[in-house]
Amino acid sequence: DAGVTQSPTHLIKTRGQQVTLRCSPKSGHDTVSWYQQALGQGPQFIFQYYEEEERQRGNFPDRFSGHQFPNYSSELNVNALLLGDSALYLCASSPRDRGNTEAFFGQGTRLTVV
Amino acid sequence: GENVGLHLPTLSVQEGDNSIINCAYSNSASDYFIWYKQESGKGPQFIIDIRSNMDKRQGQRVTVLLNKTVKHLSLQIAATQPGDSAVYFCAENIYGNQFYFGTGTSLTVIP
Repeated sequence: DAGVTQSPTHLIKTRGQQVTLRCSPKSGHDTVSWYQQALGQGPQFIFQYYEEEERQRGNFPDRFSGHQFPNYSSELNVNALLLGDSALYLCASSPRDRGNTEAFFGQGTRLTVV
Repeated sequence: GENVGLHLPTLSVQEGDNSIINCAYSNSASDYFIWYKQESGKGPQFIIDIRSNMDKRQGQRVTVLLNKTVKHLSLQIAATQPGDSAVYFCAENIYGNQFYFGTGTSLTVIP
């Protein structure tokens, strides 16, 4: 049983560019959440997707957007990249019918903005 | 619910000893908690969880204790091994919504 998979593992972008990160949830999970983890900090919630809609959003600007597909996989898009967007981006999946407990994380995408 | 914090940012223990990592949370409405282990360059790994209707839960070499009265959570690791060296996060959840994380405790196991 594959866990949560994310791609790519590493990415380098130039300030002002746009980036798309991808996530495939654990089998049996239908809810996907995205987190940003700055160096030395705990993960910060960006948003959560369920039934292809954004259900909750953390304190992140509109430059951060996402999408969920019918197969429950998800994308995180960040426009107009800033140097401060450099971080580890984590995807977590969970089962909605179990109250989104047992949230499992992927290995993350390390984004570096130069 | 945003003020999930840890009492100690770093912890060093001798191999074979027991480790205790503490966590304080501020939102009394939090009803579910997870402890994660994060090794350098990797994503957080699920260790053990506990619901607010419980005060103790045991796994393999790990025990989580929840004290709702003082809003305190702890993770006990028995017979700590070098492979346990990592950053440990507690995360709280309210009604199945987003998780709030603290800044983490770095555990170093001394051989």
